[in-house]
Amino acid sequence: GAVVSQHPSRVICKSGTSVKIECRSLDFQATTMFWYRQFPKQSLMLMATSNEGSKATYEQGVEKDKFLINHASLTLSTLTVTSAHPEDSSFYICSAQHGGVGQPQHFGDGTRLSIL
Amino acid sequence: SQQGEEDPQALSIQEGENATMNCSYKTSINNLQWYRQNSGRGLVHLILIRSNEREKHSGRLRVTLDTSKKSSSLLITASRAADTASYFCATAPNDYKLSFGAGTTVTVRA
Repeated sequence: GAVVSQHPSRVICKSGTSVKIECRSLDFQATTMFWYRQFPKQSLMLMATSNEGSKATYEQGVEKDKFLINHASLTLSTLTVTSAHPEDSSFYICSAQHGGVGQPQHFGDGTRLSIL
Repeated sequence: SQQGEEDPQALSIQEGENATMNCSYKTSINNLQWYRQNSGRGLVHLILIRSNEREKHSGRLRVTLDTSKKSSSLLITASRAADTASYFCATAPNDYKLSFGAGTTVTVRA
């Protein structure tokens, strides 16, 4: 159980393109979803937290107009990287949590974004 | 900011040997979690230990927690090639947000 599907797994696109990444909890309802960014050989950095039906909470230094997050249902959250540039190239990972504080997070398999 | 720091950064062992890695953190916590990440993949939750627990087992995994030293250890016994991965500790200080350490990369040689 607790499967999270993240799509697409890899995106290569030109600078200026907007890219949407989907994160779905397949067999449970996620009260909270998280979006992380990971640079090579580094840890995960939390970008934002989203709860269904409300605005995402962004971490300090993360541009909310650049990284648009929508959490329209208890099983789907999307991250849109708007007008992507080469410096946005990274590994983006989502996670979903059910039950609130203290519960494990269940992660998607990540999206490798490469901006040319 | 990162809360946990893993040690060592990298570990190479022979199949069948045990692997031990440590995690230190800075502030008080509700729980500490260990995750595994295979190369290019997402994270898999391994084990959660609460602040009032000292030791927890799950299969070949053994986790200890010493809140007085603000440290935790993860032991993988009888390692297998499939255990090759990066291992992260993560803490949840006082809210739902996890703070991950830099990770320990474990290589199990056949």
